[in-house]
Amino acid sequence: DAGVIQSPRHEVTEMGQEVTLRCKPISGHNSLFWYRQTMMRGLELLIYFNNNVPIDDSGMPEDRFSAKMPNASFSTLKIQPSEPRDSAVYFCASSFRGAKGEDTQYFGPGTRLTVL
Amino acid sequence: SQQGEEDPQALSIQEGENATMNCSYKTSINNLQWYRQNSGRGLVHLILIRSNEREKHSGRLRVTLDTSKKSSSLLITASRAADTASYFCATDDTGFQKLVFGTGTRLLVSP
Repeated sequence: DAGVIQSPRHEVTEMGQEVTLRCKPISGHNSLFWYRQTMMRGLELLIYFNNNVPIDDSGMPEDRFSAKMPNASFSTLKIQPSEPRDSAVYFCASSFRGAKGEDTQYFGPGTRLTVL
Repeated sequence: SQQGEEDPQALSIQEGENATMNCSYKTSINNLQWYRQNSGRGLVHLILIRSNEREKHSGRLRVTLDTSKKSSSLLITASRAADTASYFCATDDTGFQKLVFGTGTRLLVSP
């Protein structure tokens, strides 16, 4: 398996522009997570999906952020309009809940977003 | 908000020495996991310990869990330069599938 795939790996954009980050989870996994990592705030969970349904989006910072998972093999995180404070590394992770209720998350390589 | 707090925040040792990192958390858990993050990469799962376990080994890794103190430790024995990375503990949010990650310990192993 190729693991979790994210694109683009790097994105540089100007303030006010729309940014779309993409993720392909590991085949067979039933949960998908979007994280943001910065030096100041560490690793933050933004939203997660279970069986393509958003379960918890309490970490989404504001209405400028939205996420979708139209099918089991694809998800997007969109920021519109983007602001310099959105600059961070965004990770996607996927997992499958085992029989004992244990979840090991597999992370993608991340998208480094810079908003000028 | 992050539930886990690791200490130390940073640790610098020589190759061959042991490295110990600690994690404290706040609420009841089903299990606790440790992850490693190399610079510029995503996190990689290292080991999981269940709440009814006290110690677990995997290669050069040894994890302990004390649920009464709500703490865990990760010991890396005979460290190598390749162990240089940040290490995070993660606890499950009981009843949910999400993990709550700690603040991480940055480990530097010098040759």
